[in-house]
Amino acid sequence: DTAVSQTPKYLVTQMGNDKSIKCEQNLGHDTMYWYKQDSKKFLKIMFSYNNKELIINETVPNRFSPKSPDKAHLNLHINSLELGDSAVYFCASSHSDRGSYNEQFFGPGTRLTVL
Amino acid sequence: EDKVVQSPLSLVVHEGDTVTLNCSYEVTNFRSLLWYKQEKKAPTFLFMLTSSGIEKKSGRLSSILDKKELFSILNITATQTGDSAVYLCAVGDGQNFVFGPGTRLSVLP
Repeated sequence: DTAVSQTPKYLVTQMGNDKSIKCEQNLGHDTMYWYKQDSKKFLKIMFSYNNKELIINETVPNRFSPKSPDKAHLNLHINSLELGDSAVYFCASSHSDRGSYNEQFFGPGTRLTVL
Repeated sequence: EDKVVQSPLSLVVHEGDTVTLNCSYEVTNFRSLLWYKQEKKAPTFLFMLTSSGIEKKSGRLSSILDKKELFSILNITATQTGDSAVYLCAVGDGQNFVFGPGTRLSVLP
């Protein structure tokens, strides 16, 4: 059974469009994340959601908005796509205890190409 | 600003060699250090370290953390071609994870 799943796997779209990437985890975790991995393979956190509350936003443009309908889902909406948004986007989840941090489980990634 | 540095950035070895990958960090409020292996797709978890001096081991891989000197090493003994990957180090401060640039390991037959 897939622990963290993302859809779609690949997304090719034109500049200026609005798109969404979906993420679901069936691990019972209470925290979910979005990461961006650029062409140089550098992984950078974008958002973190804990119990439906945004707790991190790492200077990401406001064209990106995470939406969490419930604890098992964290979707990423991107408005007015730009060429520089082309990257692989990874969703991850973890269980966070107070005062400690546990391992993250990653989804397979969504490769976004903006033309 | 929190920072994670890994060295070397790339490494080419032959099967059977032993390698040591380094990760040093500057984090305001350290909670944990994690090692991941990334092949073609998503990173897969290897180790989580929270205490100094306690070696974690899994098969041919082992890792240890030095919280005083702010670094960790990942050792791989008797390397195999399947160990070829990018190895990522990430440091958590309780609210955020900061990833290093990764070490690209290539193991030649």
